[in-house]
Amino acid sequence: DSGVTQTPKHLITATGQRVTLRCSPRSGDLSVYWYQQSLDQGLQFLIQYYNGEERAKGNILERFSAQQFPDLHSELNLSSLELGDSALYFCASRGGASFDGYTFGSGTRLTVV
Amino acid sequence: TQLLEQSPQFLSIQEGENLTVYCNSSSVFSSLQWYRQEPGEGPVLLVTVVTGGEVKKLKRLTFQFGDARKDSSLHITAAQPGDTGLYLCAGAAYNFNKFYFGSGTKLNVKP
Repeated sequence: DSGVTQTPKHLITATGQRVTLRCSPRSGDLSVYWYQQSLDQGLQFLIQYYNGEERAKGNILERFSAQQFPDLHSELNLSSLELGDSALYFCASRGGASFDGYTFGSGTRLTVV
Repeated sequence: TQLLEQSPQFLSIQEGENLTVYCNSSSVFSSLQWYRQEPGEGPVLLVTVVTGGEVKKLKRLTFQFGDARKDSSLHITAAQPGDTGLYLCAGAAYNFNKFYFGSGTKLNVKP
């Protein structure tokens, strides 16, 4: 158990639908990062939050949004889903030291049919 | 276009062989990390290298950060089936907001 909790582990939904992925960071970590990993591809950075505020944005589609709540858990909302959105979605948290690494959750596997 | 290029993309070797994975960029990083990811799981941090020219050893794994802080290598001695997985390098931008991940090297060690 890495300390980062992601739910659900698997999600199957139809095109055009909306889903919400949830992440609880490791205790004490203020930063939450969302990544997308498609089949046989590396990790694509989506968005970062720090203590409730958006800090950095990557290749996140306009159909996707995220937020971090006062208790530091984060949600990634994916709407108007397309087949190409099928992927593993990872949440990671990080400590405050400059060279701290990411602690990743075990991911949510999203399948859009 | 990936900021960090990893090579090779795929590697299939026999147990007991040695291998080296490379991570290259034209950008300078403040630090670089290596992760290993098993199927269906999130990446797990192996090491962070910070100083140009730094070498770190973790049992049979040796990590090196290039002198110019633009590249890194991971060498595995006497590979074992348990080393099988996706190896990812990640470089930190100087503002430390996030790390840029390479595309990964998929390693398969056959018994």
